[in-house]
Amino acid sequence: GQNIDQPTEMTATEGAIVQINCTYQTSGFNGLFWYQQHAGEAPTFLSYNVLDGLEEKGRFSSFLSRSKGYSYLLLKELQMKDSASYLCAPSSDSWGKLQFGAGTQVVVTP
Amino acid sequence: GAVVSQHPSWVICKSGTSVKIECRSLDFQATTMFWYRQFPKQSLMLMATSNEGSKATYEQGVEKDKFLINHASLTLSTLTVTSAHPEDSSFYICSARPSEGRETQYFGPGTRLLVL
Repeated sequence: GQNIDQPTEMTATEGAIVQINCTYQTSGFNGLFWYQQHAGEAPTFLSYNVLDGLEEKGRFSSFLSRSKGYSYLLLKELQMKDSASYLCAPSSDSWGKLQFGAGTQVVVTP
Repeated sequence: GAVVSQHPSWVICKSGTSVKIECRSLDFQATTMFWYRQFPKQSLMLMATSNEGSKATYEQGVEKDKFLINHASLTLSTLTVTSAHPEDSSFYICSARPSEGRETQYFGPGTRLLVL
């Protein structure tokens, strides 16, 4: 079966750092994606990890530990526009089928 | 690059009618496309995996006769909601995975369906 767990909501101030943790259990594993979704819009791609370790891309970084079934998304120098839902999505097969977590709503305050 | 479009973006229809939603990859070919549904304040739920030239694979609990999927070319997949009812009102989103190399799925902007 599939089980994806991430916090429901996190609040931080502008300029701060926030780390969103995700644990997962999937019947197969072909990498893990993080997507950002603003209210009423479709998700946009942020990062993809298939090997253990940290991937850095500008203000956003993502970490993966396959043995622990664990990933995190790190958002640095938070901006108001970063207020959105962040979706953890492990890929479970070679076709790239994604299972989405419920998402973490990040609220950035002035 | 990697742009996916959906049409229509909004549709309102009467109960019992059928609605077709198109998903197109504009600047890449996609052997595999995916259809999701999202209810308010909930996560995306995968409905089916659509492979060009073959039958779609539906997730458990999704009625294949109600949600008809056709993936006739490497750039187009369609989802038809047949005999729509108010409980089918939702945000339908497609994604496309490039045929060559990349693992990433790119999402369309979504289609809001309201069934009266």
